[in-house]
Amino acid sequence: ELKVEQNPLFLSMQEGKNYTIYCNYSTTSDRLYWYRQDPGKSLESLFVLLSNGAVKQEGRLMASLDTKARLSTLHITAAVHDLSATYFCAVDQGGSEKLVFGKGMKLTVNP
Amino acid sequence: DTEVTQTPKHLVMGMTNKKSLKCEQHMGHRAMYWYKQKAKKPPELMFVYSYEKLSINESVPSRFSPECPNSSLLNLHLHALQPEDSALYLCASSPWGLSYEQYFGPGTRLTVT
Repeated sequence: ELKVEQNPLFLSMQEGKNYTIYCNYSTTSDRLYWYRQDPGKSLESLFVLLSNGAVKQEGRLMASLDTKARLSTLHITAAVHDLSATYFCAVDQGGSEKLVFGKGMKLTVNP
Repeated sequence: DTEVTQTPKHLVMGMTNKKSLKCEQHMGHRAMYWYKQKAKKPPELMFVYSYEKLSINESVPSRFSPECPNSSLLNLHLHALQPEDSALYLCASSPWGLSYEQYFGPGTRLTVT
């Protein structure tokens, strides 16, 4: 059974700082997705990582995928308050139309 | 049109009521999904439709009944719900299966009284 773990689950950081969050998963998969969710809102797609070594960047966020280590990282550069949200990673089970989500990481960026 | 729409945004219903949630997309996506999300939890998959056929039912109680009348529309019929069914119900679509990202609608906030 595919399990997806995110680390840390809660992060409080200062504006301007950098940080990396982690998502690891238990079985082979080449496809990993990062989503953002603001309180009371829906999920917004951030990154789709479809192969080993994939790296994508959008603004202050950069995501990468290492399928051999079964690990994805989401790096935050020079955090700003607007990045405060919950971030989910999700992995598909390969051959099944199902995403397995991590528990989510709640990020708070303080001025 | 690059969005998934859901109606209503909010719904309050009694345990004896029958109501329906509606989801629509016009992106030509062939897979559509229903998720249930409780506060501070990840979304839980309920149903998947691929090419208008139900392909996954995650052992959801029969008081939830999905319907896919055509490739753009997905409904969730609700009957005899329990207070613990109160949650945010999210619809999503993707171009085909999970080769691509899922696009989520804004959700329906359901309260069962």
